[in-house]
Amino acid sequence: GAVVSQHPSWVICKSGTSVKIECRSLDFQATTMFWYRQFPKQSLMLMATSNEGSKATYEQGVEKDKFLINHASLTLSTLTVTSAHPEDSSFYICSARDLRTGNYGYTFGSGTRLTVV
Amino acid sequence: QKEVEQDPGPLSVPEGAIVSLNCTYSNSAFQYFMWYRQYSRKGPELLMYTYSSGNKEDGRFTAQVDKSSKYISLFIRDSQPSDSATYLCAVLQGAQKLVFGQGTRLTINP
Repeated sequence: GAVVSQHPSWVICKSGTSVKIECRSLDFQATTMFWYRQFPKQSLMLMATSNEGSKATYEQGVEKDKFLINHASLTLSTLTVTSAHPEDSSFYICSARDLRTGNYGYTFGSGTRLTVV
Repeated sequence: QKEVEQDPGPLSVPEGAIVSLNCTYSNSAFQYFMWYRQYSRKGPELLMYTYSSGNKEDGRFTAQVDKSSKYISLFIRDSQPSDSATYLCAVLQGAQKLVFGQGTRLTINP
């Protein structure tokens, strides 16, 4: 089946620095990828939809200048958390849609736990 | 009102029990429904999916949608300790946006 690789799985950074998270579709091409944020014991909240070759679409309330998304190829999307602060500490998960499997073809990465100290 | 509501639990049952997990949703236009399983510190994995109303069975798992009451259910028969995880219901909103319930944390006790 479809595989999505997310890297790194965990990262600790100092307040004020930037962190980049990569999301790759390994065996399929993904024109659209999704970035979610999940706080402890809470659900996944969609942050933005990443479109290959064009600008990402951000959900209401998500700062696009803080969470930079780049989707430069059909298999890679990146999320950069800029000037990170402790309140950005969270579990970030990406998802890619495999159109070969229709409306259910959403495969998730294993997530990145970000801790800002 | 949230688009998808799910009791977060936690839910703890003995091994072998039948587990019933449920969600309600607000928009009658939703047509695609999914259940994901998420282990601790991992991404969700698709468990079951259904289109419109009806039942779907896969081994020990049964997904059920009742569109008249806007109710989604997942049943697990002969539950195993390895089924211990968080279960998230999701609906497809529009062409590509998934909206998730809060997730129910399930523990199966040996």
